[in-house]
Amino acid sequence: EAQVTQNPRYLITVTGKKLTVTCSQNMNHEYMSWYRQDPGLGLRQIYYSMNVEVTDKGDVPEGYKVSRKEKRNFPLILESPSPNQTSLYFCASSLGSYSPLHFGNGTRLTVT
Amino acid sequence: KNQVEQSPQSLIILEGKNCTLQCNYTVSPFSNLRWYKQDTGRGPVSLTIMTFSENTKSNGRYTATLDADTKQSSLHITASQLSDSASYICVGQQGAQKLVFGQGTRLTINP
Repeated sequence: EAQVTQNPRYLITVTGKKLTVTCSQNMNHEYMSWYRQDPGLGLRQIYYSMNVEVTDKGDVPEGYKVSRKEKRNFPLILESPSPNQTSLYFCASSLGSYSPLHFGNGTRLTVT
Repeated sequence: KNQVEQSPQSLIILEGKNCTLQCNYTVSPFSNLRWYKQDTGRGPVSLTIMTFSENTKSNGRYTATLDADTKQSSLHITASQLSDSASYICVGQQGAQKLVFGQGTRLTINP
């Protein structure tokens, strides 16, 4: 089944403790991206990647890192999480930047 | 400023009725206009994607329209079902990469 898989689905952590949210797609998509979704603000792009070893900042990149060493994986790294990063995170992929996005089912992160 | 505004914010209708959701966009340079459906607790799912040369596109009971002159789009749902209860998100693509998301319309279908 074609899908984007994020892990974990739920994560509670404390301020400053480094964490990684994994994202993997099995559709051989070139384009991958990360979003956060907050009430009243909608979806906002954090980072995106057009292909392996190519990443770029979205609208809200501060406090996040990404890497794209393989085509299928696009992990999101929070080096020192803070409470304002408490949010619902989505990974997405597509054939190209003009194609429809396929989203994962989300990771709900709480930073205390 | 690039932005996408949706209306209404929320809508409640009875099962079997039709409804129309609205989207006004200011996105330049404009590449395409997308509609996504997001069920509670799930990731958004693509419904339609339209370029400026397309003014109507259907996906089952969902029909999206695009007026590039007035920069408006609508999503019409025909013969609504309980499973249509979800948030519907309008997205404008600016250029090659940037997506501008609306805040969504929360649709509730009551039996």
